[in-house]
Amino acid sequence: SQQGEEDPQALSIQEGENATMNCSYKTSINNLQWYRQNSGRGLVHLILIRSNEREKHSGRLRVTLDTSKKSSSLLITASRAADTASYFCATVTSGTYKYIFGTGTRLKVLA
Amino acid sequence: NAGVMQNPRHLVRRRGQEARLRCSPMKGHSHVYWYRQLPEEGLKFMVYLQKENIIDESGMPKERFSAEFPKEGPSILRIQQVVRGDSAAYFCASSPLGLPDGETQYFGPGTRLLVL
Repeated sequence: SQQGEEDPQALSIQEGENATMNCSYKTSINNLQWYRQNSGRGLVHLILIRSNEREKHSGRLRVTLDTSKKSSSLLITASRAADTASYFCATVTSGTYKYIFGTGTRLKVLA
Repeated sequence: NAGVMQNPRHLVRRRGQEARLRCSPMKGHSHVYWYRQLPEEGLKFMVYLQKENIIDESGMPKERFSAEFPKEGPSILRIQQVVRGDSAAYFCASSPLGLPDGETQYFGPGTRLLVL
């Protein structure tokens, strides 16, 4: 399996519910980032969490990072139909130049 | 401040033709990254360039693919003699600082290549 795997692969919830997505990775990292991609569009940067941080908030988003378990979670609270998109985590392995993206979680929020 | 620009947004080529994808980074950014995304998959790193230098091309196929970022003008990803398997979305990203010192990359809207 590759660096940066998200689960679940797909998630369908009702508007107003919370959505939680998880990301696991394999190597030591400098930081981890979450991106959103609407169908057929580019990526939008959501939030960056550094390896020495445990939790970060941005609006309705909450990201946690557990470096001992090499995992991160993205929580979207009070979801809206407009949150329907694919969500990717991306990591930069310490000392390297490239972002490694996971395969993404496809979130569908039903109105 | 315009974001990362890519053109064309959609490109159709027949097998054996050449595809040229262009990327203009954000103003003030001198680091450019190219990624490929196959349908229903995440982005795969291809190449990282600074002005006039290829820093890391470990994700780029050795044959038919090349990339450049000249002193003046956009970064170009070139695919020669395209095959159907090259059909994908190609994204460019830029950052003001390079990795590992830099952090956030800003992505363009992508070029969707279809090879017939």
